[in-house]
Order: sequence, then structure tokens, then C-alpha cells
Amino acid sequence: AQSVTQPDIHITVSEGASLELRCNYSYGATPYLFWYVQSPGQGLQLLLKYFSGDTLVQGIKGFEAEFKRSQSSFNLRKPSVHWSDAAEYFCAVGADSSYKLIFGSGTRLLVRP
Amino acid sequence: NAGVMQNPRHLVRRRGQEARLRCSPMKGHSHVYWYRQLPEEGLKFMVYLQKENIIDESGMPKERFSAEFPKEGPSILRIQQVVRGDSAAYFCASSPLRGGQETQYFGPGTRLLVL
Repeated sequence: AQSVTQPDIHITVSEGASLELRCNYSYGATPYLFWYVQSPGQGLQLLLKYFSGDTLVQGIKGFEAEFKRSQSSFNLRKPSVHWSDAAEYFCAVGADSSYKLIFGSGTRLLVRP
Repeated sequence: NAGVMQNPRHLVRRRGQEARLRCSPMKGHSHVYWYRQLPEEGLKFMVYLQKENIIDESGMPKERFSAEFPKEGPSILRIQQVVRGDSAAYFCASSPLRGGQETQYFGPGTRLLVL
């Protein structure tokens, strides 16, 4: 069965520091991969997605993610975190031709001033 | 182009009452998905609808829950005889084509609290 693991429940970084949020998935073929961000009390906003091609994907707000097939990972990175990045981040997988997004349990990012 | 709209944003119901959640997809989108987010968890797929058709309701509880997407008007998620365990955030998403190969755009959610 497909699954998504986000091993870090909470992460705290200082403003201006770099960030990496981990995401591992379990799926036999190459999945469609997404990162969404959810601010408190808000819906989900798409940060970036990977369907095929270049394994380094650029997204909005200065985020990027790299698909590594050998590690079944799709980690999210940002070189310099801003206080406004504090939110919950969800990694999601869409299996081939599937509309059912499977979400990880999320990583809550706190940003120290 | 307005995004996905959901109303109400917050809904309080007593046990045994009915909850009705509405979702208007983005303009030009004919595919609607409902997800449920329990506290401290990720979103879980519930149902996928196209206009006047339920395509996949495999994630929906067998009893008390139903969904529709009529030819005119918003998609409705209905929960009858609510129980405390139904307290959650319910998100609607839409896409122009079938999701998986298309991005699903999410609404702000309806937060249901059952007293």
C-alpha cells in the first residue's frame, strides 16, 4: 500500500537559517509528488509538484524540492527561512492515474526571531 | 479567478443533528474531491465526484455520510446524526481534469465541531 512518511513532527529554525523538511514515500512506480503548506486555520496552498523530468523542482516562496528515486524521498528545502514561513507542511503522493492524494501527517515549522 | 470556496467556515452541531458542508469548485473545474483532517493528522481522501456522478466514495464512512455534486450548484457533503468523532476539518479540492495528473486546488475548509 502507498504511504507517505514525514518523520519530523516539529522543526524549529532561526529566521535566516536554512531549512530541510523530510518526506519519504512508499510506492512501486514513480509517483506524483506534492508539497502543500497550511497556515493556522487556513486551507492548503500548493508549494510545488513533481510529475516527471528534472528532479529538482522550484516552487513558490523560494522553496525547492528534490526527488531522489533511490531513497524514495522528496525533501523540501529553503535556503533562508522567513518568519512568515511558520506553518504546517504536508507532503502528498498521487499514485499513477490516481486522484487519491495520500498525505503525510505533516511537519510543523516554528521560526525563531 | 476565485479559488475553491467552502461554507460555512465553522460549523457547530450537537450530537444527532445534521451537518451540511458546501463546496464551490474553481471556475472551469468539474472534478471535486473531499478530504477529512482529524486533529494532528494529515488529510484523508473521502470521495471523488464529477457533475451528477460519484466516481469513488471508497474513503467515505458507510453510514451517515453522503456527497453529491449536482448539475447546478455546489457540491454538498452531508453528515447525518453527527457524533463527536465527526469533529474535524473537511476540505474540498477541485481540478479541471482528473486529479493525479492534475493539481488539486484546496478550499479553506469547514471546521466542524460536534458538542
